[in-house]
Amino acid sequence: QVQLVESGGGVVQPGGSLRLSCAASGFTFSNSGMHWVRQAPGAGPESVAFIRHDESSKFYADSVKGRFTISRDNSKNTLYLQMNSLRTEDTAVYYCVKPRWVAGSLAGFGDWGQGTLVTVSS
Amino acid sequence: DIVMTQSPDSLAVSLGERATINCKSSQSVLYSSNNKNYLAWYQQKPGQPPKLLIYWASTRESGVPDRFSGSGSGTDFTLTISSLQAEDVAVYYCQQCYGNPPYTFGGGTKVEIK
Repeated sequence: QVQLVESGGGVVQPGGSLRLSCAASGFTFSNSGMHWVRQAPGAGPESVAFIRHDESSKFYADSVKGRFTISRDNSKNTLYLQMNSLRTEDTAVYYCVKPRWVAGSLAGFGDWGQGTLVTVSS
Repeated sequence: DIVMTQSPDSLAVSLGERATINCKSSQSVLYSSNNKNYLAWYQQKPGQPPKLLIYWASTRESGVPDRFSGSGSGTDFTLTISSLQAEDVAVYYCQQCYGNPPYTFGGGTKVEIK
């Protein structure tokens, strides 16, 4: 079965940097686009970044554009999120997400990791 | 970006009664070439990630009880729990998956027992 395990969260000061990792297993990672989704305390989820299976395209939410970079290493089955210039409003649980595809059509976000908490505070 | 608006923010329903949650998108999420609405519903319980319940507006994910149903098209959608069970207490989110990412979520509806 699909397993997604995030790591790298922690406490960082405003303006600082963190790199999140997501170790994937149970599916052919190199064939799947992947998302990072975050959820601030008491708020709904926010989809922040996406990368195609071969890194040919990347998409970012406006709230993180220019500060966050999504990348992947298909040889290691690992997804990354480099977060720079962090702000207090970036405080959230960050989830690694595999989209669900059914008969060639996107069918939502089917598989989620358990998340890693990022706290931006002085 | 497409803005998703859910209502109500919360609702309390008696066990065995119907719960109805609404979701409105700022633009149509109906893809005319295949007549699919790219709208998903999720259930989230405390301390857990969201769980996919319904995709394409009305198709239940495998293993989801049939008391959960989705309807609607274009910009207006509904999630219905036909007979609320204690284990259905959670926050429910809609999400659009139309076009390119990022795919936006609604603000959530908290369902409680009356």
